Amino acid sequence: QKEVEQDPGPLSVPEGAIVSLNCTYSNSAFQYFMWYRQYSRKGPELLMYTYSSGNKEDGRFTAQVDKSSKYISLFIRDSQPSDSATYLCAMSRGITGNQFYFGTGTSLTVIP
Amino acid sequence: DADVTQTPRNRITKTGKRIMLECSQTKGHDRMYWYRQDPGLGLRLIYYSFDVKDINKGEISDGYSVSRQAQAKFSLSLESAIPNQTALYFCATSDLANPNTGELFFGEGSRLTVL
Repeated sequence: QKEVEQDPGPLSVPEGAIVSLNCTYSNSAFQYFMWYRQYSRKGPELLMYTYSSGNKEDGRFTAQVDKSSKYISLFIRDSQPSDSATYLCAMSRGITGNQFYFGTGTSLTVIP
Repeated sequence: DADVTQTPRNRITKTGKRIMLECSQTKGHDRMYWYRQDPGLGLRLIYYSFDVKDINKGEISDGYSVSRQAQAKFSLSLESAIPNQTALYFCATSDLANPNTGELFFGEGSRLTVL
């Protein structure tokens, strides 16, 4: 069983839609939860970061962590064509990069 | 200019050849990493280095070696390339003092094809 599971999609939505991206994990020791966005032919860049459980909001983006269910989500409101990218979840027990476990990524296309 | 620069961006080589992928960074971070990305497998850690004198194996180090020539430079070598090393390779850096706690800063990737 993989440490982190993520539906690869692809996901295609019309502009303005609410998008929900999800990951599940198996290791209850994970404390740090991240979402990276990767545009085509580019490296991933950090989009959202959450420590432990709860919600975090940043503009149109909301990250949720439910540790009891081992489930994390990223919501994108009023989706824009510029949101078209691959979204990678990542999580870790500690705070050093060698301890990160990445999902396989979900490809999102927002259609104008 | 990019903060984390990888060269080459694309490389096609043949089985058995030695290949070096280079990474340099201007972020002043001590920690550097090499990942490979494969469809359906995500990002997997190959090697990481927390300072010039520190080199550590990651999840999938077999068939790879690294060199940390300076704080800003971290190279990945494939001594004898094989086709299943065809992948997209990323260099990344991190700074423990970053308020986002361990955020990784990635280069734009090096696409390697081994025929």
